[in-house]
Amino acid sequence: SQTIHQWPATLVQPVGSPLSLECTVEGTSNPNLYWYRQAAGRGLQLLFYSVGIGQISSEVPQNLSASRPQDRQFILSSKKLLLSDSGFYLCAWSVPWRELSPLHFGNGTRLTVT
Amino acid sequence: KNQVEQSPQSLIILEGKNCTLQCNYTVSPFSNLRWYKQDTGRGPVSLTIMTFSENTKSNGRYTATLDADTKQSSLHITASQLSDSASYICVVSRGQGGYNKLIFGAGTRLAVHP
Repeated sequence: SQTIHQWPATLVQPVGSPLSLECTVEGTSNPNLYWYRQAAGRGLQLLFYSVGIGQISSEVPQNLSASRPQDRQFILSSKKLLLSDSGFYLCAWSVPWRELSPLHFGNGTRLTVT
Repeated sequence: KNQVEQSPQSLIILEGKNCTLQCNYTVSPFSNLRWYKQDTGRGPVSLTIMTFSENTKSNGRYTATLDADTKQSSLHITASQLSDSASYICVVSRGQGGYNKLIFGAGTRLAVHP
């Protein structure tokens, strides 16, 4: 069966510090991968998605970047965190080329920038 | 503007009672509608996915309905349990566009009390 791992679960970082969140998927090949941010009282916002190694599309201009160094590994990074980067970050995967494939989410990372 | 609105924002019910959550959308063109359950501090989990031609779909005690004419959906929970306490998110997929075609509602937070 497929599983998705996301870490760390919580993170407190000072403003201006770097960030690296990691997500890995097991049990499937060539998944579509996504990074979402969830703000309180608002719908999930797509940050990045990837259809393959090294292929990253950004949806929202921001202080963050993403990379996919391996087929089932997706990394969210920042060189210098801003207070506005605080939030709940979710990684997800889906089966490619299947319109009705559900998104399978990790358990998220709660990031607090102080 | 493509939007998904959910009501109520929050709801408290007693264990064993039924409840219905509402979702109205203005997404066009419409492809499919999804309901997710999100436990506090966890990632969302898919409950149902419905296409234009489906009026109702069940998943255990969860029954989703879709009226594509009025652009409304509902999620009915029967014989609620304490474990149903969670946020329920309505997601509508546009029929065109890239990977940012999922429009998320802000969710309804349900609390089931003993």
